[in-house]
Amino acid sequence: QKEVEQDPGPLSVPEGAIVSLNCTYSNSAFQYFMWYRQYSRKGPELLMYTYSSGNKEDGRFTAQVDKSSKYISLFIRDSQPSDSATYLCAMSAGAQKLVFGQGTRLTINP
Amino acid sequence: ETGVTQSPTHLIKTRGQQVTLRCSSQSGHNTVSWYQQALGQGPQFIFQYYREEENGRGNFPPRFSGLQFPNYSSELNVNALELDDSALYLCASSPTTGNPTDTQYFGPGTRLTVL
Repeated sequence: QKEVEQDPGPLSVPEGAIVSLNCTYSNSAFQYFMWYRQYSRKGPELLMYTYSSGNKEDGRFTAQVDKSSKYISLFIRDSQPSDSATYLCAMSAGAQKLVFGQGTRLTINP
Repeated sequence: ETGVTQSPTHLIKTRGQQVTLRCSSQSGHNTVSWYQQALGQGPQFIFQYYREEENGRGNFPPRFSGLQFPNYSSELNVNALELDDSALYLCASSPTTGNPTDTQYFGPGTRLTVL
C-alpha cells in the first residue's frame, strides 16, 4: 500500500464549478501538507501549504487537513479553464522529504 | 519564475549506459532535492544535498548518485541505466534544509528515455 493515495482521475468539470480533490495517507508522522499544481511539461508549483489539521484559504483555493481521518482536500471555487492541470498532494514528516500522491488530472471545460 | 533550471530538456539513452543530469538552483538556495516522476505518477524523492553533502536519501539503489558544487548547482548521475529509469527527473531548491516550511521550487525537469 502506498503511503499517499490519490485518485488519478481524469476529472472533467464545467467552468465555474466547485472542484474537490482529495488524498488519504497512512503515515501518522506526516505534519506538513501541500498541494502542487503541475502543467504539462512543467515542474510542480506550490499552491497551498498547511501545517497539521485545519483549513487554509487563499483566493479561490481552500485546503483542508483532517489528521484524525488521515485525509486532506483541496477545493477550487469558480473554476477556470486555466486551472486545468495535474494536482499533486504532498506530505512531509519534516526535513523537506516530500511524499507525493499520484496526481489528479483536472480539465475545466469552457 | 522560479529560477531553477535543468539541462538537458530531453535525453535518450540505451540500457546499460550512464547519464548525468544538471540543475542550477535558484539564487541564494543552498539545498537541492532530486525527484523521479514516472509517467502518470507523482514525484518520488531520490536524495537531497545540503552544502555539498548528501542529506537524506529515498528508496533508490546506489547507482543513483549525486553531487552538489560550491555554487550550489547539482548533478544527478545514474549508472547502468535500466528501462524503468525512463522518467521525468526534477530538481527542487530551497533556501535551507531541515525546515519543512521552506518552499521547494521545482525546475522544469529532464525527460530521460531509456531504450
